[in-house]
Amino acid sequence: KAGVTQTPRYLIKTRGQQVTLSCSPISGHRSVSWYQQTPGQGLQFLFEYFSETQRNKGNFPGRFSGRQFSNSRSEMNVSTLELGDSALYLCASSFYREVYNEQFFGPGTRLTVL
Amino acid sequence: AQSVTQLGSHVSVSEGALVLLRCNYSSSVPPYLFWYVQYPNQGLQLLLKYTTGATLVKGINGFEAEFKKSETSFHLTKPSAHMSDAAEYFCAVSDTDKLIFGTGTRLQVFP
Repeated sequence: KAGVTQTPRYLIKTRGQQVTLSCSPISGHRSVSWYQQTPGQGLQFLFEYFSETQRNKGNFPGRFSGRQFSNSRSEMNVSTLELGDSALYLCASSFYREVYNEQFFGPGTRLTVL
Repeated sequence: AQSVTQLGSHVSVSEGALVLLRCNYSSSVPPYLFWYVQYPNQGLQLLLKYTTGATLVKGINGFEAEFKKSETSFHLTKPSAHMSDAAEYFCAVSDTDKLIFGTGTRLQVFP
């Protein structure tokens, strides 16, 4: 079965712009989580969606937002980009919400902000 | 709050040598613990996890980890390193309904 897919794989933007990243979970998975990975901060949880509702949110400013569609596909949006937003953004899906369930990660979208 | 500390951002071993990657956690409740591996330009892949039951957990690719509550540790081991094990490894602990990751350990394997 197909894995988690993320598009695009690479993005280059300039400060002040906004960006939308897309994540398609494994078929049948209803939970989608987003993480930001940077060399300095490591992997940090952004938010989790389940059945089109945001269930959990990490400690990020309001410029970071997301949504989930009825087919479980998810998008995240970052507005007014800053240099510090340059990172690898990873999406993970799981069938259930419970944290002990395995999360399957996509390859990520590498965002570079100039 | 839950947290994870991975000792050693870089570990180097020779092919065939023992791999030991250290992870200590802090949790106010019985934790769920995970080890993930990340190869270059790829996402994370689950190696193994501890939820309840047996404290010695066996994972994929010959890796295993032992949950030691008294030491708040969950170290990852593999008896004999292979070149293909070169990657970055992340330990994670559950926090309510999300994962808290350590900062990662990059494993290098020399021939």
